[in-house]
Amino acid sequence: AIQMTQSPSARSASVGERVTITCRASQGIRNELGWYQQIPGKAPKLLIYAASTLQSGVPSRFSGSGFGTEFTLTISSLQPEDFATYYCLQDYNYPWTFGQGTKVEIK
Amino acid sequence: QVQLVESGGGLVKPGGSLRLSCAVSGFTFSDYYMTWIRRAPGKGLEWVSYISSSGSTIYYADSVKGRFTVSRDNAKNSLNLQMNSLRAEDTAVYYCARGIYDNSGYDFWGQGTLVTVSS
Repeated sequence: AIQMTQSPSARSASVGERVTITCRASQGIRNELGWYQQIPGKAPKLLIYAASTLQSGVPSRFSGSGFGTEFTLTISSLQPEDFATYYCLQDYNYPWTFGQGTKVEIK
Repeated sequence: QVQLVESGGGLVKPGGSLRLSCAVSGFTFSDYYMTWIRRAPGKGLEWVSYISSSGSTIYYADSVKGRFTVSRDNAKNSLNLQMNSLRAEDTAVYYCARGIYDNSGYDFWGQGTLVTVSS
């Protein structure tokens, strides 16, 4: 199975700060990676698909990049509603696998 | 609008069974692949099962293979997950999610249903 190594596992940040989260795949997955946000008590929400395509309705402060094995989610200016846990998911190859998650907390 | 509503969760003893359902509306169900994903208490998201739009292709995570069965009824706009031989480690909130048309990823999710396996 493809392993997705996500870092950091937690990040303290202030409103307005730039935040970067990384996922590394154990083998190449082309661009078949998505980023999801989960707020406690709510369902996950798709932010980015195909590594860099912004999902409709998602604010433009979110962006994704990468291809192959290295991927990045960037929040350009953190807002209060962005404090949540973020996950990457590869669905290039069965079994699909998530990264371990990054909890973004208020500094 | 697109809606996915899970049901069927609850408390079950180890070794027991449950059947989860996901009722969908607001889109042509038969055009989309679907998935089940779960989140155990204090843990991250875990992919559980995938079913293609026609139901002809199915995948399972190793952790549930041989115990869980996914199915769909395109005429009834319903996705199901039959869970047998349940274990404590299957305790989680289970989500159904819709695949992105012509791409990879999951764009709409249900609110989740809680499955608790405990004696």
